[in-house]
Amino acid sequence: GDSVTQMEGPVTLSEEAFLTINCTYTATGYPSLFWYVQYPGEGLQLLLKATKADDKGSNKGFEATYRKETTSFHLEKGSVQVSDSAVYFCALPLSGNTPLVFGKGTRLSVIA
Amino acid sequence: DVKVTQSSRYLVKRTGEKVFLECVQDMDHENMFWYRQDPGLGLRLIYFSYDVKMKEKGDIPEGYSVSREKKERFSLILESASTNQTSMYLCASVTGLKNTEAFFGQGTRLTVV
Repeated sequence: GDSVTQMEGPVTLSEEAFLTINCTYTATGYPSLFWYVQYPGEGLQLLLKATKADDKGSNKGFEATYRKETTSFHLEKGSVQVSDSAVYFCALPLSGNTPLVFGKGTRLSVIA
Repeated sequence: DVKVTQSSRYLVKRTGEKVFLECVQDMDHENMFWYRQDPGLGLRLIYFSYDVKMKEKGDIPEGYSVSREKKERFSLILESASTNQTSMYLCASVTGLKNTEAFFGQGTRLTVV
């Protein structure tokens, strides 16, 4: 069945460091791909998405490119801030009778 | 502003109590989900619903039931709360259209003592 594998955390970075969180997926067809973010004490919210191969999603300085050939959707940011401290989830959308599929989440802590 | 609203942010219940967690969405979404979130385990699907009065078991339905009498409301019921159900519970909804994003409530942190 469909699945998502993302790198385990936690990840601790200094402010202005470069961030990469790896995500690979297994899916039937070519679904959209999502990154969600969960700030402390809150629910998940959509960070960015890509709808087809080679698309790049971007938001708040984060980027991710849909790579069909490597079935990957890695999240990157060039210069992280303390306010980026959160848990990040890679996800596949609802598809037919298959519920939303999430990675296990990666906790990011950014220290000043 | 679209919204998924969970009835409580924090709940403390006693072992053996029947617990109701309510979730309401105002987006006319067909699909609604209940997850629990525990450290190191990510999001685990408890139940989901594709339509009114329809429900499907997720990965960890034991000890839980659900009710969806109206399209906008999806309730999670803990029939007899136990300490191992202490967790963060998240409700989500999504339209029936393909490849659309899910919207989440703010979460309910339940502690069973």
